Amino acid sequence: KQEVTQIPAALSVPEGENLVLNCSFTDSAIYNLQWFRQDPGKGLTSLLLIQSSQREQTSGRLNASLDKSSGRSTLYIAASQPGDSATYLCAVRDTGGFKTIFGAGTRLFVKA
Amino acid sequence: DGGITQSPKYLFRKEGQNVTLSCEQNLNHDAMYWYRQDPGQGLRLIYYSQIVNDFQKGDIAEGYSVSREKKESFPLTVTSAQKNPTAFYLCASSITAGVTGELFFGEGSRLTVL
Repeated sequence: KQEVTQIPAALSVPEGENLVLNCSFTDSAIYNLQWFRQDPGKGLTSLLLIQSSQREQTSGRLNASLDKSSGRSTLYIAASQPGDSATYLCAVRDTGGFKTIFGAGTRLFVKA
Repeated sequence: DGGITQSPKYLFRKEGQNVTLSCEQNLNHDAMYWYRQDPGQGLRLIYYSQIVNDFQKGDIAEGYSVSREKKESFPLTVTSAQKNPTAFYLCASSITAGVTGELFFGEGSRLTVL
């Protein structure tokens, strides 16, 4: 059974710092991996989607990498800003099915 | 603009009552999903539907029911059989036979049982 873990559960950094969020999964047979952002009381906003054949995706200050063999993905945020404060969730979609398994998220706080 | 609309945003229910959460999408997506989110936990799948008039149970379907009579609509009913219904409910959609399988979400509905 696929399990997704995100470490750390919470992170506080000063503005301007580069940071890395981690996501690990137990079964490497995935269709894709998606990173989301969630603001308090809101829905999920898709940040980056990495297909199983890809190694990384970039959007602005965000870069996500995928290493299927080790069951890991990282989300790199460059030059963090207070507006980046949110919960970041990682999710993997199993091959052959329509189930997407979510991690519990990392709550990020960027101090001005 | 294309997107997913959930309503109501907030809902209060008395014990023993059934309530229905609405989810409408205009993205022309085939697949739709309902997730439940509890504090400190990842999202858990309640039901999903790949095509109209067909749906499957997810991991926590007990006490919930759905219908898929139209492509754009996937309402969720929280029945009185659901033991602990207070939670944040999220609806999502994706292209079934698409290129990416990317999930898109609505803004969520918060249900509180009084």
